[in-house]
Amino acid sequence: SQTIHQWPATLVQPVGSPLSLECTVEGTSNPNLYWYRQAAGRGLQLLFYSVGIGQISSEVPQNLSASRPQDRQFILSSKKLLLSDSGFYLCAWSNRASNQPQHFGDGTRLSIL
Amino acid sequence: GQQLNQSPQSMFIQEGEDVSMNCTSSSIFNTWLWYKQDPGEGPVLLIALYKAGELTSNGRLTAQFGITRKDSFLNISASIPSDVGIYFCAGQLRGTSGSRLTFGEGTQLTVNP
Repeated sequence: SQTIHQWPATLVQPVGSPLSLECTVEGTSNPNLYWYRQAAGRGLQLLFYSVGIGQISSEVPQNLSASRPQDRQFILSSKKLLLSDSGFYLCAWSNRASNQPQHFGDGTRLSIL
Repeated sequence: GQQLNQSPQSMFIQEGEDVSMNCTSSSIFNTWLWYKQDPGEGPVLLIALYKAGELTSNGRLTAQFGITRKDSFLNISASIPSDVGIYFCAGQLRGTSGSRLTFGEGTQLTVNP
């Protein structure tokens, strides 16, 4: 069966520090991968999605970037964090075939001080 | 772009009561999904609907894909305390790049024992 892992589960970072959140998927090949941000437990905002290695699409302009160095690895990064980057970050995957549901990881709670 | 209106935003009910929530869209979708999110965790897929008019059950949960393809509802029968959480609807349009989903803003469900 397929599983998705995100780490770390929680992170506290000072303003201006760099960020790297990692997401890996097991038990499937060529998945679509997604990064979402969720503020205050409501409303998932799609940040990035990827349909293949090295292919990243950005949904909203922001202080963050994403990379997909391997088929089942998706990384969310920032060079200098802002206070507004605080939130709950969720990674998700779906099968490449059309109309397949997305499956989410357990998220990373990011707090910027 | 497409928008989903999910209602109600929150519900406070007594254990044993039935619950109904719905989502409407200004445009059609090919797939409707319902997720539940517990505090501090990622959303978990409850029900996926793929055809207009489809009615699908998962235990005490029943969801329907509206005949116009612009709406969906989720019913929970005989609610129990563990039903507490945020419920999200999501729509998907076939052929959308990356199989992206459009999410509703969520329904916060509180069940009083």
